[in-house]
Amino acid sequence: SQQGEEDPQALSIQEGENATMNCSYKTSINNLQWYRQNSGRGLVHLILIRSNEREKHSGRLRVTLDTSKKSSSLLITASRAADTASYFCAAEGLSGNTPLVFGKGTRLSVIA
Amino acid sequence: SAVISQKPSRDICQRGTSLTIQCQVDSQVTMMFWYRQQPGQSLTLIATANQGSEATYESGFVIDKFPISRPNLTFSTLTVSNMSPEDSSIYLCSVFRAGEQYFGPGTRLTVT
Repeated sequence: SQQGEEDPQALSIQEGENATMNCSYKTSINNLQWYRQNSGRGLVHLILIRSNEREKHSGRLRVTLDTSKKSSSLLITASRAADTASYFCAAEGLSGNTPLVFGKGTRLSVIA
Repeated sequence: SAVISQKPSRDICQRGTSLTIQCQVDSQVTMMFWYRQQPGQSLTLIATANQGSEATYESGFVIDKFPISRPNLTFSTLTVSNMSPEDSSIYLCSVFRAGEQYFGPGTRLTVT
């Protein structure tokens, strides 16, 4: 079954605005990862946050993790049209080498 | 990182036929996974394939429909049997290496 649930399912913003996507998961995790997928293309790994981390930055990306609420958020600042894509969170369970379980994803549209 | 290739990259098949998808990794890995991504949806784990043992299938997936082979530590195949239009999806193989999960480019299958 799906581990992660994202909201919103779809998000449309103007270029330059910030985009926030949320993800919730159900069981304890080793880490939570965020991926991007452009339409018709493969997965691109964006960022990984470990269960003992609360916040992580990478360029215009900021990820937070609240293990007490079993939730994470991905913030994209100063969005660009090229950020238009689907974004998925994926949770890695506690057992070693457990395959990632993906959330349903958020479709982000950035309008120029 | 891991370099993963899949063949074919895409195919259009008639209902009732079967298609075998190949996954090749650039070096030996213990665990390989197969995922399905239906149109507009997220990734769902089909099965875990370890070399030398039977694949382990997730709920909702059965060996008769999705037989998997894992003849060595760098190669696996997934067969989609007796296809119907509902099997139209992207099929991705994935591996663990050094604690990280990597994904192949996917095979886009359309069943008519």
